[in-house]
Amino acid sequence: QQQVKQSPQSLIVQKGGISIINCAYENTAFDYFPWYQQFPGKGPALLIAIRPDVSEKKEGRFTISFNKSAKQFSLHIMDSQPGDSATYFCAAHRGSARQLTFGSGTQLTVLP
Amino acid sequence: GAVVSQHPSRVICKSGTSVKIECRSLDFQATTMFWYRQFPKQSLMLMATSNEGSKATYEQGVEKDKFLINHASLTLSTLTVTSAHPEDSSFYICSAVLTSGGVTQYFGPGTRLTVL
Repeated sequence: QQQVKQSPQSLIVQKGGISIINCAYENTAFDYFPWYQQFPGKGPALLIAIRPDVSEKKEGRFTISFNKSAKQFSLHIMDSQPGDSATYFCAAHRGSARQLTFGSGTQLTVLP
Repeated sequence: GAVVSQHPSRVICKSGTSVKIECRSLDFQATTMFWYRQFPKQSLMLMATSNEGSKATYEQGVEKDKFLINHASLTLSTLTVTSAHPEDSSFYICSAVLTSGGVTQYFGPGTRLTVL
């Protein structure tokens, strides 16, 4: 119930391509879904987030698509750049506990 | 805005010693802070929730006597790893939530602990 399943584990994309990372959850009590970007040896940085009453949110090259009925959400990175190479984590927030449950992470490599 | 710092960024210690890691919210107040542990190429694992002025809430399997958490002010939480052993070597990351509202967790840069 508390798990957030993330796929793929790793992803290689050519520069300019679209990177897509998917997450699925079971617990309908989750009320907020952020994506974090983490570079090696650094803490995670908030990239973009969405609430379940919205189906899509776009910020620059980053878009979250949210399917409440399927309990799935995904991150799309348009025009991927080598500088986007990092590990991406989806997460789900449970309001009552104010805690985040993280996905297992996706290591993205964007080839020049 | 919403900057979180950690100190030290990396520490090497001998087995059996104690190590204190500080987590500070630099430009906001944080009633609630969280401590995570991350092993190489793995996800973040929540260790405990730290609330200002009260005892921390530890996740199942985390030894509260080994990982001492103190949240004495609205901008500072500390994690002390007591009697550290090599298996405690890890990347420790804190996060903070604005007291003024919202659910977003802002993360610190992490502390790399190596126990020899």
